Amino acid sequence: DTGVSQDPRHKITKRGQNVTFRCDPISEHNRLYWYRQTLGQGPEFLTYFQNEAQLEKSRLLSDRFSAERPKGSFSTLEIQRTEQGDSAMYLCASSKTTGRDEQYFGPGTRLTVT
Amino acid sequence: AQTVTQSQPEMSVQEAETVTLSCTYDTSENNYYLFWYKQPPSRQMILVIRQEAYKQQNATENRFSVNFQKAAKSFSLKISDSQLGDTAMYFCAFIPNNNDMRFGAGTRLTVKP
Repeated sequence: DTGVSQDPRHKITKRGQNVTFRCDPISEHNRLYWYRQTLGQGPEFLTYFQNEAQLEKSRLLSDRFSAERPKGSFSTLEIQRTEQGDSAMYLCASSKTTGRDEQYFGPGTRLTVT
Repeated sequence: AQTVTQSQPEMSVQEAETVTLSCTYDTSENNYYLFWYKQPPSRQMILVIRQEAYKQQNATENRFSVNFQKAAKSFSLKISDSQLGDTAMYFCAFIPNNNDMRFGAGTRLTVKP
């Protein structure tokens, strides 16, 4: 068990481009979460999956954001037509079964939109 | 609104001393879970300690303990015998339902030698 991994670790893109991030959770974990963290702030919830089903999305997740977890294993987060305000650290976390289980966080993907 | 407030943006403590980080939250739920997470510089967030709201006994994990005051909606973290490796951002968080976790803005703790 190598923990939660995220790829890439850093991404620099120009405004208007699309970007996609990947998260590989701990293998036996059913729940997978995406958060966004801006400098000096705590993580903000974006969305979560129970296996392959996306069960909740935050109002922060605009129409330009989409997340998938097609086989209930890894997940992708895509941002279309990126804006400078999308610059942030995108964190992925996984937990065993319920929301009350400990969440294990990945190292994050730092996105910079120029 | 279900929010978490950490009123101390930065704190420092001398090595081997004790420090307490404050956290208050707002929820109308009766049953929920509370957490303290640690985020060392350029490293992953890790769980420090958790507390179930229905338990009156305060949680402890080695040098880390909490003071949970449910009526006051307060959940402070005490770090005893502070070590240099405790230097990190500390986030208070809670889960008001079974779904999304709410985080505070964090407290940057520096342990001085």
